[in-house]
Amino acid sequence: AQSVTQLGSHVSVSEGALVLLRCNYSSSVPPYLFWYVQYPNQGLQLLLKYTSAATLVKGINGFEAEFKKSETSFHLTKPSAHMSDAAEYFCALPVDSSYKLIFGSGTRLLVRP
Amino acid sequence: DTEVTQTPKHLVMGMTNKKSLKCEQHMGHRAMYWYKQKAKKPPELMFVYSYEKLSINESVPSRFSPECPNSSLLNLHLHALQPEDSALYLCASSQGRYGDSGEAFFGQGTRLTVV
Repeated sequence: AQSVTQLGSHVSVSEGALVLLRCNYSSSVPPYLFWYVQYPNQGLQLLLKYTSAATLVKGINGFEAEFKKSETSFHLTKPSAHMSDAAEYFCALPVDSSYKLIFGSGTRLLVRP
Repeated sequence: DTEVTQTPKHLVMGMTNKKSLKCEQHMGHRAMYWYKQKAKKPPELMFVYSYEKLSINESVPSRFSPECPNSSLLNLHLHALQPEDSALYLCASSQGRYGDSGEAFFGQGTRLTVV
């Protein structure tokens, strides 16, 4: 069965520090993988998506993610955290070729001044 | 225009009220979705419309009634809700199936409180 696991419900970093949010998936090679960000009382905004065209994917706001088939991972990184990055982050995987998305449980990123 | 617009942003309703949530997109997307999101949880799929026809109903109680008047609009009619239905309701759209054509675009949500 397909699944998405996000390790760490909360991640706390200092401003300027590296951000690493972990996502592991269980699936045959997925056609897509997504990272979404949700600011408080807002909808979800797409940060980036893996489309099999490239394993290193660059997204908005300085985020990037690397697809590693051997590790079934799609971790999200940002070299230097900013206070405005504080939000909830969701990794998501399409269910086969359907209208359903499997979301990870989410990781809340806290950025300390 | 890559926006999905939801109205209202906030809604407080009594358990005997009838209200509607509205969603609009002008990206030419043929799939539209309603999700429910409780605090500190990921969104849960409620309904999917594909080409204006109901494609998926995730066993949602009948007090939630979706409607897709045309390819750009999606409504969610609410009647006799319970306090546990209080949540953020998100609308989304996509060009097609996620596995075929990529991501969903989400609206800002309607924060619903049932009193």
